[in-house]
Order: sequence, then structure tokens, then C-alpha cells
Amino acid sequence: ETGVTQSPTHLIKTRGQQVTLRCSSQSGHNTVSWYQQALGQGPQFIFQYYREEENGRGNFPPRFSGLQFPNYSSELNVNALELDDSALYLCASSLAVGTSRFQETQYFGPGTRLLVL
Amino acid sequence: KQEVTQIPAALSVPEGENLVLNCSFTDSAIYNLQWFRQDPGKGLTSLLLIQSSQREQTSGRLNASLDKSSGRSTLYIAASQPGDSATYLCAVNRVGNQFYFGTGTSLTVIP
Repeated sequence: ETGVTQSPTHLIKTRGQQVTLRCSSQSGHNTVSWYQQALGQGPQFIFQYYREEENGRGNFPPRFSGLQFPNYSSELNVNALELDDSALYLCASSLAVGTSRFQETQYFGPGTRLLVL
Repeated sequence: KQEVTQIPAALSVPEGENLVLNCSFTDSAIYNLQWFRQDPGKGLTSLLLIQSSQREQTSGRLNASLDKSSGRSTLYIAASQPGDSATYLCAVNRVGNQFYFGTGTSLTVIP
């Protein structure tokens, strides 16, 4: 149990729809990263938020967007869903402090499994 | 771009055996490397984090080593148990704000 929670646990959408996934980070953590994990693959980095600002983005199109709130919880929004967006979406929280601020252990939530039909 | 490879992709061993999982990465300029465990349909559980200045970390029956210059890490599991059955993922943190993951090793420990 990492203290990172995600909602919903499962979701079914149709092509073209929009979806919002939510993540509550571990208490005291100020950084949230989002990953997409397709079946049989390792997680792929989508983006990271540090103190409500985007702090790095992977190779994902702009229809993947995010937010981080003052309490450090976060949302991942995906517009114009495609079949290939079907995956497990994971968020990870960490505490970034000092000069090594982004090098600390990431704690993952249980994920949201998204199916696009 | 950082590429992370894990060998073998799958492994089946009898209970009680010691085993080694391998991870290699192409860019040695990393900040740290982390080993995770993933049970089917679940999120990731952090097992060990090795900073780039360290050579190994130990937790219980697990020992992870890091050879940054050769781009390799190993996860050693001693006296394996059926409860160790899961997928093991390694990930390297290169630019400080994202982890690059391998595709994992699926481990089955047979009672």
C-alpha cells in the first residue's frame, strides 16, 4: 500500500470521447508523474507535474493533457480517444527537494484500466 | 533515447532456488535505477532504488547491483517462494524527471 490512489479503477469509452483520470498522491509528496502501460509492455512516461507546473513530457500528442492542484492531486485528460489509448494508466508520486529533487523513489498507484471501443 | 532491456522475458523456477534477473540500459548517464514488482492487473510496487553513486542495495532476500559504466543491473532473489511470482520491471531515471522502463521479466515460482 503506497498511499497513492487512482480513480476510477476501470473505464470503458468509445472512440472520439474524452476521459479524465484522477490521482491522489502520497501525503507530503509534491510531484506526480503519469505513465501509460499497454498490455505486455513496460510503462511509458506521459508527463510529470511539480508544484502545479508541467516538468517534462514524453512522446505523447497534445490530446494528452494534465493538471496538478494545490493539494498536489492530479488529473490526466485524454481527448479524441483512439483504440490504441486502451491501456493501464499509472500515476506515481514522489517528494522532490533540494538539488537531487527529481531523483527520489516514485510510489505508484494501482492504476486505471481504460478500454476504448 | 534511453533503451532498457530485460532478460529473460519469462522465467520459471522451483521453490527455494536462487535466481538472477538482468537489466541493461543504453545510456549510462543515469541518476538512479529502480526495481519494481507488478502483480497481474495491478500497479507497481517499489522494491529497491539504487542511486548512480551506489553499487548495490539490499532488502531482505533481494539484492540489486548496478554497474553504471557497463549499463547493467541485476536483481538477485534468494530462496525464491511462490509469493515471489510476479513481473519484475527495472527502470532508469536519466533526465531527472522520468523513468524509462524495460518490458519486464515474468517470474513463476513453482511450489
